[in-house]
Amino acid sequence: DQQVKQNSPSLSVQEGRISILNCDYTNSMFDYFLWYKKYPAEGPTFLISISSIKDKNEDGRFTVFLNKSAKHLSLHIVPSQPGDSAVYFCAASGGNTDKLIFGTGTRLQVFP
Amino acid sequence: NAGVTQTPKFRILKIGQSMTLQCTQDMNHNYMYWYRQDPGMGLKLIYYSVGAGITDKGEVPNGYNVSRSTTEDFPLRLELAAPSQTSVYFCASSYSRQLSNQPQHFGDGTRLSIL
Repeated sequence: DQQVKQNSPSLSVQEGRISILNCDYTNSMFDYFLWYKKYPAEGPTFLISISSIKDKNEDGRFTVFLNKSAKHLSLHIVPSQPGDSAVYFCAASGGNTDKLIFGTGTRLQVFP
Repeated sequence: NAGVTQTPKFRILKIGQSMTLQCTQDMNHNYMYWYRQDPGMGLKLIYYSVGAGITDKGEVPNGYNVSRSTTEDFPLRLELAAPSQTSVYFCASSYSRQLSNQPQHFGDGTRLSIL
């Protein structure tokens, strides 16, 4: 049972435009959500996070939105840059667990 | 400023062989984790540790063993390699639980093929 789902395996966006990556979850106990970015042959690196007590968190070009009633979060990148081309993983944790549950990732390609 | 270091980066094993994947971190993090990532899939937690001498199973622990004798090191052992263990393995560490701004820091991975 996939508790964290990223239904779009890939996304292609023109440089300068907005990239929107989506993530859905099923476990209502999740209370903290993170986005990781991964380049080929490297480990994932932390990008941005959001607590369930908030509905938006912004860090420069990156904004994460959380809709708890829909169990949905999204990552917005504005403006998109070619260096943003990578695989983006959504992850969640919550309750008494020390563990992160990862989605399957979305490959973002930003073209000139 | 090494962070999390994994060795080796690549390895090919024959079925039934054993090996140890090494992981060390220099950030004095209490929590350490081992994940595997199969093609087209997310990261699955194999084992984790909340401090030296304490380990616990994750989502997919079968076929693996770990130990945590020091804060810095968290090796992952494959005793009898099987083709199903062909994957990319990531080690990660964090200072505390996944709350507030304490994200996990990842190594660059070990790509393991079992033939």
